[in-house]
Amino acid sequence: DAGVTQSPTHLIKTRGQQVTLRCSPKSGHDTVSWYQQALGQGPQFIFQYYEEEERQRGNFPDRFSGHQFPNYSSELNVNALLLGDSALYLCASSLVGLSYNEQFFGPGTRLTVL
Amino acid sequence: DQQVKQNSPSLSVQEGRISILNCDYTNSMFDYFLWYKKYPAEGPTFLISISSIKDKNEDGRFTVFLNKSAKHLSLHIVPSQPGDSAVYFCAASGSGTSYDKVIFGPGTSLSVIP
Repeated sequence: DAGVTQSPTHLIKTRGQQVTLRCSPKSGHDTVSWYQQALGQGPQFIFQYYEEEERQRGNFPDRFSGHQFPNYSSELNVNALLLGDSALYLCASSLVGLSYNEQFFGPGTRLTVL
Repeated sequence: DQQVKQNSPSLSVQEGRISILNCDYTNSMFDYFLWYKKYPAEGPTFLISISSIKDKNEDGRFTVFLNKSAKHLSLHIVPSQPGDSAVYFCAASGSGTSYDKVIFGPGTSLSVIP
């Protein structure tokens, strides 16, 4: 089992551009959550997808959007990039309704906005 | 407004001694608390959790204590080992399941000195 995988590992973009990050959940998991971890801070919840729909959302602007595919993989899209969007973006997968003890994180995508 | 606080950014402990990591929260609606451990270039991994109906949970060398009236929890690692050197995140949730989002603290970087 490959666990949660994310691509790409690193990404450099310039202000105003758009970016798409990808996540494949752990086998058997159906729920994907995305987090933003800025330098020196803990992960901040962006949103969660289940059954191809956004179920919950944190305090992030509409520039942040996502998608979940029938195979449960997910994408995070960020439009009109700002310098402050530079961070590690983490994807986590779980099974709906189960404890967060069973939530597994991927290694993250490091996004740098210049 | 930071709902989960970890006021010590870093902690150094001698190998074999006890490590105590502290966490405070402000939202009385939190009913489930988790500790995650994160190594560089890896995603956070679940370590131990506690429900608000308990005041202590133990798993091997790791024990979490919860003082609900003080809105405070702590993670004890005994004995500390060099492999425990990592960033530790305290996190809180309503139900502790994927039906609620999980809120992370900023983390404490633990260094265990051989």
